[in-house]
Amino acid sequence: AQSVTQPDIHITVSEGASLELRCNYSYGATPYLFWYVQSPGQGLQLLLKYFSGDTLVQGIKGFEAEFKRSQSSFNLRKPSVHWSDAAEYFCAVVPLESGGYNKLIFGAGTRLAVHP
Amino acid sequence: DVKVTQSSRYLVKRTGEKVFLECVQDMDHENMFWYRQDPGLGLRLIYFSYDVKMKEKGDIPEGYSVSREKKERFSLILESASTNQTSMYLCASRRPFGNTIYFGEGSWLTVV
Repeated sequence: AQSVTQPDIHITVSEGASLELRCNYSYGATPYLFWYVQSPGQGLQLLLKYFSGDTLVQGIKGFEAEFKRSQSSFNLRKPSVHWSDAAEYFCAVVPLESGGYNKLIFGAGTRLAVHP
Repeated sequence: DVKVTQSSRYLVKRTGEKVFLECVQDMDHENMFWYRQDPGLGLRLIYFSYDVKMKEKGDIPEGYSVSREKKERFSLILESASTNQTSMYLCASRRPFGNTIYFGEGSWLTVV
């Protein structure tokens, strides 16, 4: 079945440590790929997106993500986490088959906690 | 600066009530969306609208309807609210074939 999987429901890291949040998708053609962040009680803010080209994408707030076609993955990374990064992170895709332009499909989310 | 506004941030309604969730965008976007967010399930698409008076069902349309009478406004309607519709509802908009979707801050609905 077509899906977006974020294997880690909850992750805790220490401030200053590196971070990697995993995202895998199962669609035939490479979809458009997104990472969003949601702070408590807020809407979603776009961190970065990948459509084509360079597989390493830079986003806001010091985040980056790498697209790996062979692994159907789009993992989010940050070299040094700040306490303000504590939030929920969503991976999302726009499938390009079946006229999927209008559907943004989300993973279940990964909640990040940051220890001081 | 782009703006998607959900006027009601927190609502408490009784079972069986008719509920309206309103969303307004100021970017002249043709496409608008309603998502529902539940823990462990991420965001699921309820309905979306290509343009005024045009709508299409998303993945979980049961129990919901929508109205798009004006380009800037997209309303989600719960005809008869039930407790399993307690959730956070997110509105979003996008220009046609644009690849960035802009979200509102969400409406927390509790049905008692």
